Amino acid sequence: AQSVTQLDSHVSVSEGTPVLLRCNYSSSYSPSLFWYVQHPNKGLQLLLKYTSAATLVKGINGFEAEFKKSETSFHLTKPSAHMSDAAEYFCVVSDTGGFKTIFGAGTRLFVKA
Amino acid sequence: GAVVSQHPSWVICKSGTSVKIECRSLDFQATTMFWYRQFPKQSLMLMATSNEGSKATYEQGVEKDKFLINHASLTLSTLTVTSAHPEDSSFYICSAITGGSSTDTQYFGPGTRLTVL
Repeated sequence: AQSVTQLDSHVSVSEGTPVLLRCNYSSSYSPSLFWYVQHPNKGLQLLLKYTSAATLVKGINGFEAEFKKSETSFHLTKPSAHMSDAAEYFCVVSDTGGFKTIFGAGTRLFVKA
Repeated sequence: GAVVSQHPSWVICKSGTSVKIECRSLDFQATTMFWYRQFPKQSLMLMATSNEGSKATYEQGVEKDKFLINHASLTLSTLTVTSAHPEDSSFYICSAITGGSSTDTQYFGPGTRLTVL
């Protein structure tokens, strides 16, 4: 069975400081992992995805995530937050055995000026 | 590239009526489309997986007779909420993939806000 847990319902950072959004997963198969961002009144946008290639995945807008199998984690990071990063972020797991896609509960990122 | 549109963006209807939501892939052919439901301040819940030319696969707990899905072409899938009730009020989001693997990137539509009075 698959599951994904986003450890923080909301995270607040100051502009220019690092961002860390935490995600833990469980999967019976070799998982594919994704991070999506949802801005108000806009569709979800893919930030990055892991599909069993390099464990450190670089995405758009300066985001990156590291797949750590031993910790079953896929945390999202960014060195320096920008005001435009304020949004809802979803960690998603999808097993390679089919189309079972599970969304995490989401983390709301607030960026203070 | 890879744009998915939904129509309408919002709809208000009376209880007991049916509402159709369209999901279109504008610049690519989508072998598979997905329908999700998102309640306020909650995550997305997968409702069903729709493959062109075949019956949709519904997730456990989703009433297939209530949420009718048709995927008649490689660029269009529709979700019809039949005999809508206030508890069906939600944000419905579709996504589409170009390939045939769950590792493919899903391209999401902007969503449709349904309010049932």
